[in-house]
Amino acid sequence: AQTVTQSQPEMSVQEAETVTLSCTYDTSENNYYLFWYKQPPSRQMILVIRQEAYKQQNATENRFSVNFQKAAKSFSLKISDSQLGDTAMYFCAFMKPAPEGQNFVFGPGTRLSVLP
Amino acid sequence: DAGVTQSPTHLIKTRGQQVTLRCSPISGHKSVSWYQQVLGQGPQFIFQYYEKEERGRGNFPDRFSARQFPNYSSELNVNALLLGDSALYLCASRPSGARETQYFGPGTRLLVL
Repeated sequence: AQTVTQSQPEMSVQEAETVTLSCTYDTSENNYYLFWYKQPPSRQMILVIRQEAYKQQNATENRFSVNFQKAAKSFSLKISDSQLGDTAMYFCAFMKPAPEGQNFVFGPGTRLSVLP
Repeated sequence: DAGVTQSPTHLIKTRGQQVTLRCSPISGHKSVSWYQQVLGQGPQFIFQYYEKEERGRGNFPDRFSARQFPNYSSELNVNALLLGDSALYLCASRPSGARETQYFGPGTRLLVL
């Protein structure tokens, strides 16, 4: 079974600065997908970024980028130019593509506070 | 286009009661999954449905059941409620394929007293 670990329960960053959230996972699969989801206090889970394991190039989405280290099973999220609206819980998630059945596993989350 | 919708937004029940939560996926999405998110934790997978058939089940007791309708909407039922069932219940949909990203609804907050 896959597991996802986020070792930082809480983090804070000053507005306009950069912060990196850590995520490690354990799997014996070679083909899989990794995600970062954001859950603001309003609780709607929002997709931030997605990475396919077969792609060596790290995914980027505006101010959000990842550092995907497949051999180390590490998948960190970098937020540049942090904004107050980035304050939220951030969940790392692992997905194994399968023809049937669920394959989505979430980490415990990191609470990020962006300070003015 | 409308996103994933869930009803009700909040619900208060007492121990032993039964509850039904509803989810409407994004138009065109055929797969619906249900998650339980206890306060301060990440979501835990309960069920996945695709084309009205159960395709996956998490480690939850038989008190939890679900179904998917021909219009791809879904219901989650929980019988004999326990205090520990208090949580945010999230529904997520995706088009069909196993490689596609899933999109979440706002959730239903269930409080069991």
